[in-house]
Amino acid sequence: EVQLVQSGAEVKKAGESLKISCKGSEYSFTTYWIGWVRQMPGKGLEWMGIIYPGDSDTRYNPSFQGQVTISADKSISTAYLQWSSLTASDSAMYYCARHVYRSGWYGIDYWGQGTLVTVSS
Amino acid sequence: DIQMTQSPSSLSASVGDRVTITCRASQGISNYLAWFQQKPGKAPKSLIYAASSLQGGVPSKFSGSGSGTDFTLTISSLQPEDFATYYCQQYKSYPFTFGPGTKVDIK
Repeated sequence: EVQLVQSGAEVKKAGESLKISCKGSEYSFTTYWIGWVRQMPGKGLEWMGIIYPGDSDTRYNPSFQGQVTISADKSISTAYLQWSSLTASDSAMYYCARHVYRSGWYGIDYWGQGTLVTVSS
Repeated sequence: DIQMTQSPSSLSASVGDRVTITCRASQGISNYLAWFQQKPGKAPKSLIYAASSLQGGVPSKFSGSGSGTDFTLTISSLQPEDFATYYCQQYKSYPFTFGPGTKVDIK
């Protein structure tokens, strides 16, 4: 069964850096796009961007461009979301999600369990 | 960016009710529309892609329809496990955007 397993909850201080991860298993990691979705407390879902682990092609939501970096290490089937300097407004739940592309987009089929990031000022 | 709206923002329904949620895109997206279910404290679950195709393992009480700018998600007979928040998402063009969600709770 396809699984996306995310790293554990993080508590950080404003200004610190952070890298969270999403490990895919039971499928060909390099042939599906992996995206990140933010959910702030009590709010809706926000699409942040996606990466194709096969060649690291990355697309960002302009709202998040420059604020985060999406990367992947295909040798260990893991995608990452990182911040160089956290702010309190980065406190949220972050989900990774597998995106399907087969000569056209077919949307998201699988989700990770989420990583809660808490940033104190 | 393509803006997605949903109506209603919340609804109260009883077990056994037929429920319909509407999603509208600010411009035509063909059938590049997905629906997700999220229960409190849980990750979203994928229900429908391509506006009307069920993801694997999703029960047939869920159905989707629409094309262009107007879409609907219908739950044919609401069960206790269906009380949740439902989101639509367009994936026609970047950034892929979600609707604000529709919360379905118990009447």
